[in-house]
Amino acid sequence: EMQLLESGGGLVQPGGSLRLSCAASGFTFSNYAMTWVRQAPGKGLEWVSAISGSGSSTFYADSLKGRFTISRDNSRNTLSLQINSLKADDTAIYYCAKVVVVGGRLDVWGQGTTVTVSS
Amino acid sequence: QSALTQPPSVSGSPGQSVTISCTGTSSDVGSYNRVSWYQQPPGTAPKLMIYEVSNRPSGVPDRFSGSKSGNTASLTISGLQAEDEADYYCSSYTGSYTVLFGGGTRLTVL
Repeated sequence: EMQLLESGGGLVQPGGSLRLSCAASGFTFSNYAMTWVRQAPGKGLEWVSAISGSGSSTFYADSLKGRFTISRDNSRNTLSLQINSLKADDTAIYYCAKVVVVGGRLDVWGQGTTVTVSS
Repeated sequence: QSALTQPPSVSGSPGQSVTISCTGTSSDVGSYNRVSWYQQPPGTAPKLMIYEVSNRPSGVPDRFSGSKSGNTASLTISGLQAEDEADYYCSSYTGSYTVLFGGGTRLTVL
């Protein structure tokens, strides 16, 4: 069974940093691009970032460029998202998802990890 | 880039059909057939229901169908059931790996 399990969320002060992780199992991780999607409390889904299967190409939402860094370790089947200079607006559930077709099918989602930015 | 436009809410009685629209532009929905639909019951992660406009993943009931015309995609749920009550989101490819989601539609089964 294909599974994704996020971790690393928590309460952080404005201006702080956080590294989210997503552990994949049940599929050949390196064969698939991966993506992060977030959802602020009571709001809709927002695409954050994506990375190719090899990790050589990375993509970010225009509004988030500069503070977010996506990476992956194919030897450990792990996806990561580094978030710096956190703002209150970054408060959200962060989901990782497996990309079957670039820009399209996200067929496996994790349960999400919650990031709360507050003093 | 603004979110794709969805109606905030739709409703229907059990057994009826409902259609949720998703309007974009010629740069996203109108240019690519990579339109997907996700179902999200409260407190859960999104689940893929439709991909590439009209394809259903294994396990998704054939009551769910998708279509597209021009810059607008649609999700139709026929034979509504109580378990269909959830938020529904469309998404579209916009180029260079990037994806745009709709604002979401709350489906209420009366």
